[in-house]
Amino acid sequence: AQSVTQLDSQVPVFEEAPVELRCNYSSSVSVYLFWYVQYPNQGLQLLLKYLSGSTLVKGINGFEAEFNKSQTSFHLRKPSVHISDTAEYFCAVSERHYGQNFVFGPGTRLSVLP
Amino acid sequence: DGGITQSPKYLFRKEGQNVTLSCEQNLNHDAMYWYRQDPGQGLRLIYYSQIVNDFQKGDIAEGYSVSREKKESFPLTVTSAQKNPTAFYLCASSPLGSMNTEAFFGQGTRLTVV
Repeated sequence: AQSVTQLDSQVPVFEEAPVELRCNYSSSVSVYLFWYVQYPNQGLQLLLKYLSGSTLVKGINGFEAEFNKSQTSFHLRKPSVHISDTAEYFCAVSERHYGQNFVFGPGTRLSVLP
Repeated sequence: DGGITQSPKYLFRKEGQNVTLSCEQNLNHDAMYWYRQDPGQGLRLIYYSQIVNDFQKGDIAEGYSVSREKKESFPLTVTSAQKNPTAFYLCASSPLGSMNTEAFFGQGTRLTVV
């Protein structure tokens, strides 16, 4: 079975500063990796995903993430955050075979301060 | 527009009552999922279905029931046996196949027991 750890439950950062949200996973097989964003009282929206190929993945809203197989990590980064990036961010994993479910981390609340 | 529709957005239930949350998708996805979200706990899987007339229990199925009579629909019933039903409920769907892509989410239903 797989699991996802997000080490930081809350990350405050000033506007225009860089940010990194950490995600580590555990799985006995190869996985797909995802980052989702959730605004208050809304569903989850996909930011980016790693399926195969280049380990540096670029997503929407200027976010990117790097897959590190040896460290089983998939950290999310943005070089300069905006007030509108304030939201909850979830890392998720699914195993590479037919019909596997998605397992989500507990989430990281990013608060961008003016 | 293709997507997932959850209704209602807000739902109030008296203790001891059953209540059904609706989830409809027009993405032609085979798999559908129900998650429960509580503050600080991320998303926990209640039930999932990969094909019509078949579904599987997730991590927290007790007190819940589902049906999958049509590919497009996956309603969730919160029964009176669910001891703490107040939460945010999210429905999702995904395609199945050799490349397991991302889950697509509805906007959620917030259930409150009064």
